[in-house]
Amino acid sequence: QKEVEQNSGPLSVPEGAIASLNCTYSDRGSQSFFWYRQYSGKSPELIMSIYSNGDKEDGRFTAQLNKASQYVSLLIRDSQPSDSATYLCAVNRLGDDKIIFGKGTRLHILP
Amino acid sequence: EPEVTQTPSHQVTQMGQEVILRCVPISNHLYFYWYRQILGQKVEFLVSFYNNEISEKSEIFDDQFSVERPDGSNFTLKIRSTKLEDSAMYFCASSERGGASYNEQFFGPGTRLTVL
Repeated sequence: QKEVEQNSGPLSVPEGAIASLNCTYSDRGSQSFFWYRQYSGKSPELIMSIYSNGDKEDGRFTAQLNKASQYVSLLIRDSQPSDSATYLCAVNRLGDDKIIFGKGTRLHILP
Repeated sequence: EPEVTQTPSHQVTQMGQEVILRCVPISNHLYFYWYRQILGQKVEFLVSFYNNEISEKSEIFDDQFSVERPDGSNFTLKIRSTKLEDSAMYFCASSERGGASYNEQFFGPGTRLTVL
């Protein structure tokens, strides 16, 4: 069973601090890695994608990938109350169309 | 910015009835998907569609489900005889590329299906 694991949280972070979200995956054939943000009752919104080992930065967001450790993370700098949401880690295997999602980590930014 | 749209936003139906959920993918995208999310659970893949045929489907996507692209813009999911356990949020997604490449998938707002 190919799984994507995340700590369900909630993860509480003070406003202005760095939020660190982590994810592990079991399928070594995974090639694409995504972070989606999902507000309560809304649909997943793609915020970051990463395909090779290392860091990828986009504004306040940094995705980190370590394929040897099968580990993906998302850092959110200068956290804002509007960042409070569930963050879904998702992976895609080479040749598969489907994305496999983790259960998500609830992030709460404390004003 | 282009986006995926879905109608209706909420559908209430009786058990055993047929429902059709509609989606308009992003216009230059070639790959279309349906996912569902039961309340409190993870997002689950149902089916992918490319070049007017199903390219991949999950175990959930049994004979009760079908997909169709009836015209150049719409993409539909039909559930033939709904069950209580079909109650969920159904998300349509689309991407420029498929699984052989890096397929960033963009999701629509979802249809909340309630089966009574």
